[in-house]
Amino acid sequence: QSALTQPPSASESPGQSVTISCTGTSSDVGAYNYVSWYQQHPGKAPKLMIYEVNKRPSGVPDRFFGSKSGNTASLTVSGLQADDEADYYCSSYAGSNNLIFGGGTKLTVL
Amino acid sequence: QVQLQQWGAGLLKPSETLSLTCAVYGGSFSDYYGTWIRQPPGKGLEWIGEIIQSGTTNYNPSLKSRVTMSLDTSRKQFSLKLSSLTAADTAVYYCARRVTVHYYMDVWGKGTPVIVS
Repeated sequence: QSALTQPPSASESPGQSVTISCTGTSSDVGAYNYVSWYQQHPGKAPKLMIYEVNKRPSGVPDRFFGSKSGNTASLTVSGLQADDEADYYCSSYAGSNNLIFGGGTKLTVL
Repeated sequence: QVQLQQWGAGLLKPSETLSLTCAVYGGSFSDYYGTWIRQPPGKGLEWIGEIIQSGTTNYNPSLKSRVTMSLDTSRKQFSLKLSSLTAADTAVYYCARRVTVHYYMDVWGKGTPVIVS
């Protein structure tokens, strides 16, 4: 099983929107609605931001939006704030009781 | 509020076995998988595997031959052993909770840095 593909970096100005992609295959992202997104600030543990493609845990702002089309999932962050600057990782169920992650995207708020 | 507290040796030599434990505080362990994930320095996350209260385990195929997970339900603790360590196993190791039937981790430990040298 290979890691999901994410762009290494993304950047946008405060108040703007940015979308991070996560590309898998028809055996993982494309096969299941079990894509999740995690935010990780430096030196901290990951934090769940989106689960099951587009659901937000309690406490996560509605500025974070998840979607999926075919083998590619996306995380859109609107109204960017300084604290959104972090690494973002996608994850997907890959069948046979396996989970895989993306390589991560470093989001910079300019 | 559920919290996970993890501990274990942080400096090991090649060929040794890593041993980490994660304790669940403030909530039940039933209906959840105890999950281990690692992150090499400057790199992304890698799912290692998981264990549920029944003792059923699921392991990353790439690590399966070296991984053993166990649990102590009375103490609400689950553990990871990774054998035959090499420098490539140097990473921060996280424990996390996954709800059964759902494939996401909603509670994470703070991470334990492990150096193999």
